[in-house]
Amino acid sequence: TQLLEQSPQFLSIQEGENLTVYCNSSSVFSSLQWYRQEPGEGPVLLVTVVTGGEVKKLKRLTFQFGDARKDSSLHITAAQPGDTGLYLCAGVNSGNTPLVFGKGTRLSVIA
Amino acid sequence: DTEVTQTPKHLVMGMTNKKSLKCEQHMGHRAMYWYKQKAKKPPELMFVYSYEKLSINESVPSRFSPECPNSSLLNLHLHALQPEDSALYLCASKAGGSPNEQFFGPGTRLTVL
Repeated sequence: TQLLEQSPQFLSIQEGENLTVYCNSSSVFSSLQWYRQEPGEGPVLLVTVVTGGEVKKLKRLTFQFGDARKDSSLHITAAQPGDTGLYLCAGVNSGNTPLVFGKGTRLSVIA
Repeated sequence: DTEVTQTPKHLVMGMTNKKSLKCEQHMGHRAMYWYKQKAKKPPELMFVYSYEKLSINESVPSRFSPECPNSSLLNLHLHALQPEDSALYLCASKAGGSPNEQFFGPGTRLTVL
C-alpha cells in the first residue's frame, strides 16, 4: 500500500509569514498533484508535477517535486488570509491507478 | 465549460429513504469518480467509471449504487443508508491521457438521520 505522509497536519500563522508543507513517501510516483479545499467545497487542483526535480510557481506558491519523485513540497510566500484551507497532496503510481491522498495540512492564516 | 457540477448541494434523508446524487461534466472527460469525505479526513475513493463502465469498486456497501447513463453524467443512488454514511460526497472527472489530474465538483453534503 502506497502512503503519502503530509506534514505538518495543522499550521496557524500570521499574515505575511512564509510556510512550507511537505509530502513524503517511500514509493515513486509518476505524478503528484496539490489541491486546496475550503470547508464544504470540493478540492481545487493547484498544480501537477511529473518530472523529478521540477519546480512550478503559481503566484506566491512554489511547488517542487523531489529528484527521485518520492516527495514534494509546497512553499507559500507572504501568506494571506485567503490562503486558509486544507492543502492535499495526491500521487499516482502509474497510468490510471487511483490517486493516493495525503492526510492534508490544515492552514489558518490570521490577519 | 471547465467545471464539474453536483446536485443537490445538501441532502438530509432518513434511513428508509431512497435518494440520488447527480454529477455532470462537459469537458469530454471519460473517467469519472465518486469519493466520500468525512470531516478532517482526505477523500476516500468509492467508485471509478472509465468510458461509462464501472472499473473500480472499492468494496463499497451495496446500499450505494453508482450509475453512468452517458459520458457526461454520473449518479449515485442511495438506499437504506446509516447515520455513519453522513459525509461530503465528491464527484471528480479526468481527461484521458492526463497524469491523473482529477477535477472535483463542489460536493453534496449528506446527512442521514
